[in-house]
Amino acid sequence: EPEVTQTPSHQVTQMGQEVILRCVPISNHLYFYWYRQILGQKVEFLVSFYNNEISEKSEIFDDQFSVERPDGSNFTLKIRSTKLEDSAMYFCASSERQNYGYTFGSGTRLTVV
Amino acid sequence: GQNIDQPTEMTATEGAIVQINCTYQTSGFNGLFWYQQHAGEAPTFLSYNVLDGLEEKGRFSSFLSRSKGYSYLLLKELQMKDSASYLCAVRTFSGGYNKLIFGAGTRLAVHP
Repeated sequence: EPEVTQTPSHQVTQMGQEVILRCVPISNHLYFYWYRQILGQKVEFLVSFYNNEISEKSEIFDDQFSVERPDGSNFTLKIRSTKLEDSAMYFCASSERQNYGYTFGSGTRLTVV
Repeated sequence: GQNIDQPTEMTATEGAIVQINCTYQTSGFNGLFWYQQHAGEAPTFLSYNVLDGLEEKGRFSSFLSRSKGYSYLLLKELQMKDSASYLCAVRTFSGGYNKLIFGAGTRLAVHP
């Protein structure tokens, strides 16, 4: 069964450093999403992406965050200057069409120290 | 605003049936999803309702009443491996695009 692949599985970074989280969505999917889950809390929407641009972003997705689809396969989330409160599990998801279900990747656990 | 409520924790016995309820108040409702999440892992899709009524899928069933803003997930013949968090998620449509909004999840513990 096709999978959404995320790398790395775990990233530790110092406060103030930039991180890039990588995702390879399912190849024929057109809609891409980033979610995060702080330990013990709910899964929160960050941003959706379609046709090479952001379609919607949440209040969490401030100027420190950016997303990019640099080629035909990768979908990245960049955090420019990490804060302690950015520590969370970050999930990438993709969907073939608007009204289809989402497939989630296995996540990247980001720890900011 | 968007609000999704579900119980924080539930316990049940192996072999039994459990019902996990979810109520929601959202704008642009475009379907309700149930996901299972084991600790430290990604959510995995269980079921989906967009019209009122019951959807059955093996040991799992989900029900939706749009007029009441209510859904439940029914798990039958519980197994120990069903111990996990169950996430109710509403798909909302706004500005031409969909997104999923998640509830806080219900942590289910299945005991022998």
